[in-house]
Amino acid sequence: QKEVEQDPGPLSVPEGAIVSLNCTYSNSAFQYFMWYRQYSRKGPELLMYTYSSGNKEDGRFTAQVDKSSKYISLFIRDSQPSDSATYLCAMTFTGGGNKLTFGTGTQLKVEL
Amino acid sequence: DAGITQSPRHKVTETGTPVTLRCHQTENHRYMYWYRQDPGHGLRLIHYSYGVKDTDKGEVSDGYSVSRSKTEDFLLTLESATSSQTSVYFCAILAGVYTGELFFGEGSRLTVL
Repeated sequence: QKEVEQDPGPLSVPEGAIVSLNCTYSNSAFQYFMWYRQYSRKGPELLMYTYSSGNKEDGRFTAQVDKSSKYISLFIRDSQPSDSATYLCAMTFTGGGNKLTFGTGTQLKVEL
Repeated sequence: DAGITQSPRHKVTETGTPVTLRCHQTENHRYMYWYRQDPGHGLRLIHYSYGVKDTDKGEVSDGYSVSRSKTEDFLLTLESATSSQTSVYFCAILAGVYTGELFFGEGSRLTVL
């Protein structure tokens, strides 16, 4: 079993929909949680970052962390075709040797 | 933004040949990383460096070596390329020392025939 599990999709939604992307993890030591967005043939770019449990909002994006369930989510409101990309969750912890553990990524397509 | 340049961006080579990928950064970051990305596996760490001449293995280091003789350059070498090393390779630097945030390059697409 992988340390971080992520549904690979693909996920196809109509423009304007609310999108929910999720990851589960097994290592309770993880403290820092990130979401990266990766456009086709590009490098991943950091989208959202949260520390420990709770919510964080940035424009149309909301990241949630539930450490008790070892579950993190990324919500995209009013999705746009420009949101079409692969979304990767990543996580680490203090003392983790500055190394991130990534999910395999969820491919999202927002259709007109 | 940290400036990361990977070269070459695309390469096709034959089984058994040596290949070196270069990662160059412009902002003096201490930590640098090499990942490979494959369908179904996501990003997997090959090697990383925490300073000049200081390197360590990641989870998929077999068949790869690295060198870092200058802060700005981190080289990934495949001594004898195999078809299983066909992949997209990403270099990254540690942008957030306390949070583990990584900043990635644009990737190098390697095909081993």
